[in-house]
Amino acid sequence: DTEVTQTPKHLVMGMTNKKSLKCEQHMGHRAMYWYKQKAKKPPELMFVYSYEKLSINESVPSRFSPECPNSSLLNLHLHALQPEDSALYLCASSQDDRGPTGELFFGEGSRLTVL
Amino acid sequence: AQKITQTQPGMFVQEKEAVTLDCTYDTSDQSYGLFWYKQPSSGEMIFLIYQGSYDEQNATEGRYSLNFQKARKSANLVISASQLGDSAMYFCAMRLLIYNQGGKLIFGQGTELSVKP
Repeated sequence: DTEVTQTPKHLVMGMTNKKSLKCEQHMGHRAMYWYKQKAKKPPELMFVYSYEKLSINESVPSRFSPECPNSSLLNLHLHALQPEDSALYLCASSQDDRGPTGELFFGEGSRLTVL
Repeated sequence: AQKITQTQPGMFVQEKEAVTLDCTYDTSDQSYGLFWYKQPSSGEMIFLIYQGSYDEQNATEGRYSLNFQKARKSANLVISASQLGDSAMYFCAMRLLIYNQGGKLIFGQGTELSVKP
């Protein structure tokens, strides 16, 4: 099983809503990532969790709040988002993040629309 | 500064022909990894091929090969015998180890490949 599963696949929310994106992997990976991707642009790194601890936060606004309850799960909590936050949110995992080798496995993404 | 550059925003190739997608990178690190990912319109990022900075042989995976020229800092992807299903966005990426932070993967701007029947 080499899947990274993301839910929901599509999400529409208002600017005052609170919602969450979920990501799950069962490959025994110890590093998990959130990326944001706008149309026709490359993915931009948001957060990295390494061994369930937040290791990288790329100066992401506090309206995005990551959580790693255990080594298989990664959540992204969303609150008071802006229309410009509409994008594809990709979750990924890798064996670990301790070196430059090892590919990241990506989920299919959650397509978010903020009205 | 660490950077990945893909200079071809879009490319066309005839079915069954080979195509080369260009990628150059910039880093002062000695140890790094280079990756190519394919992203169809569905959105999923599909890993294609990996090249380590210390690998002396060019990586190959089926119809994909990576032309690694370390001195020129280039890592071009060659797709042989193109198929209609190869039509997608292709991203070159570099994995770095950031002191006190861990590893991160950065992407180039991407090349949109269209395969013509």
